[in-house]
Amino acid sequence: DTEVTQTPKHLVMGMTNKKSLKCEQHMGHRAMYWYKQKAKKPPELMFVYSYEKLSINESVPSRFSPECPNSSLLNLHLHALQPEDSALYLCASSQEKGFTEAFFGQGTRLTVV
Amino acid sequence: GQQVMQIPQYQHVQEGEDFTTYCNSSTTLSNIQWYKQRPGGHPVFLIQLVKSGEVKKQKRLTFQFGEAKKNSSLHITATQTTDVGTYFCAGPTGTALIFGKGTTLSVSS
Repeated sequence: DTEVTQTPKHLVMGMTNKKSLKCEQHMGHRAMYWYKQKAKKPPELMFVYSYEKLSINESVPSRFSPECPNSSLLNLHLHALQPEDSALYLCASSQEKGFTEAFFGQGTRLTVV
Repeated sequence: GQQVMQIPQYQHVQEGEDFTTYCNSSTTLSNIQWYKQRPGGHPVFLIQLVKSGEVKKQKRLTFQFGEAKKNSSLHITATQTTDVGTYFCAGPTGTALIFGKGTTLSVSS
């Protein structure tokens, strides 16, 4: 199984809502990532988890809260988002952080209204 | 901080023409990776180059890593409509991948 599964595929939420994005991989990868991608832009790193511990938080606003319940799962909790947070949110995993091939999920296309 | 620059930003070709995208890093890279993202899709890993001066081929795609390990290129011979998408180079920082801005390729038949 070389897949990274993300749910939901699409999400529309109001600025006062709380929602969560979910990501799952069963490749035994020890590093998992959240990226944000705006239209016609490259993926922009948000968070890195290595061995289930948060190792990088790229100055992301606190309205985004990551969680890694176990080595296969990664969540991104969303609260009080702004319309400019609308984007494609990509989860990825790799054997070890940083140096090896990253496998990306299909992403969650988020619209904040 | 580390930057990865990529040119051109857009390229349109006729089917059958060749295509090249170039990637330059501000620092020496331990490796460089290339990804392809189809319209509406997610990045998909193509290849990783590790050695100085390395050249790798995948069918019509040729990847090169510069001698100084600061630049790289992807060349597609005789493009097909299936090659449409955005090609990203990405360099590791030691913690995660930093992506170049990408080159978006369009192909007309």
